[in-house]
Amino acid sequence: DAGVTQSPTHLIKTRGQQVTLRCSPKSGHDTVSWYQQALGQGPQFIFQYYEEEERQRGNFPDRFSGHQFPNYSSELNVNALLLGDSALYLCASSIASGIAEQYFGPGTRLTVT
Amino acid sequence: AQSVAQPEDQVNVAEGNPLTVKCTYSVSGNPYLFWYVQYPNRGLQFLLKYITGDNLVKGSYGFEAEFNKSQTSFHLKKPSALVSDSALYFCAVRDISRDDKIIFGKGTRLHILP
Repeated sequence: DAGVTQSPTHLIKTRGQQVTLRCSPKSGHDTVSWYQQALGQGPQFIFQYYEEEERQRGNFPDRFSGHQFPNYSSELNVNALLLGDSALYLCASSIASGIAEQYFGPGTRLTVT
Repeated sequence: AQSVAQPEDQVNVAEGNPLTVKCTYSVSGNPYLFWYVQYPNRGLQFLLKYITGDNLVKGSYGFEAEFNKSQTSFHLKKPSALVSDSALYFCAVRDISRDDKIIFGKGTRLHILP
């Protein structure tokens, strides 16, 4: 049973560029959440997708956008990259019903230069 | 607003001794609480959760956590620490009576000394 997978593992971008990160949820999961984890910090909630719609959103600017596909996989897009966007981006999947724990992928390390 | 506090940046424990990693929370409704562990260059792994019922929750790898409503705490514990328990530990809270977001603490680095 495959767990949560993310691609790419590492990414280096220049300020002002755009980036797309991808996530495939654990088998049987229908909800995907994205987090930003800066160095030495806890994960910060970006947004959550369920049934292809954004269900919840954290305190992140509109430069951060996402999408969920019919197969429950998801993308995180960040436009007009800033140096401060450098972080580990984590995807987590869960089931929508009940108070389910989230299963995390290994993350994508984004470096903005 | 909901929040989670992990008052210790780092905890050092000798191997074989009991360990405690502290967490306090603030929510407006009933709290749903979680502990996760993160190893270097890895994502977070779920350890245990509290939803309702018994205040002592047992989880993976011999960890347990005690929910204390009056002290708004959810401390992570293990009776006998292993060197392999050395990692970064995160407490998280979910408040479904408000916006249902999951908020993580800043993390506590646990060092088990051989």
